[in-house]
Amino acid sequence: KQEVTQIPAALSVPEGENLVLNCSFTDSAIYNLQWFRQDPGKGLTSLLLIQSSQREQTSGRLNASLDKSSGRSTLYIAASQPGDSATYLCAAEGGVESYNTDKLIFGTGTRLQVFP
Amino acid sequence: AAGVIQSPRHLIKEKRETATLKCYPIPRHDTVYWYQQGPGQDPQFLISFYEKMQSDKGSIPDRFSAQQFSDYHSELNMSSLELGDSALYFCASSLLTSGGPSTDTQYFGPGTRLTVL
Repeated sequence: KQEVTQIPAALSVPEGENLVLNCSFTDSAIYNLQWFRQDPGKGLTSLLLIQSSQREQTSGRLNASLDKSSGRSTLYIAASQPGDSATYLCAAEGGVESYNTDKLIFGTGTRLQVFP
Repeated sequence: AAGVIQSPRHLIKEKRETATLKCYPIPRHDTVYWYQQGPGQDPQFLISFYEKMQSDKGSIPDRFSAQQFSDYHSELNMSSLELGDSALYFCASSLLTSGGPSTDTQYFGPGTRLTVL
């Protein structure tokens, strides 16, 4: 059964810092891994999706990497801003026991606060 | 660009009542997913539909049922509501390629916040 964990659970940094959020998954036979942002009480905004055949994806100040063999993904945020404050969730799709299914298994999230 | 639409955005019900949540996927998307996010928890997969057929089922209580209609919108029906059903219910949609495992992003709606009193 796929399990997704995220470290750290919470992170508080000053504006301008570069930071890394970590995501681990137990079943490496994933189809893809997706990073989301969730503001308090709000919906999920997709940030980046990395296919199983890819190593990384970039969008603006965000860079996500994927290492299937080690079961890890990282989200790198460059030059953090107060507007980046939110909870960041990673979600894995697929796995050995999930053949031909598209459901996402979410991690517990990293709550990020960027202060001025 | 059009996004996933969910209605209602907020819903308050009494215990043992029923509730119906609606989801309108992004145009031309053929797959709909439902997730439940309890307070302080990560989203949990409930059920999904591809081309109006149930494609996968997660930890969805027997009191809940869902379907996808000919226009691809989906409804989640919840009966005999319990206090523990209070949560944020998300719908997501995607476009499956060739009917196999998805290679495309799941786009999430804003969610319906259900409160059971």
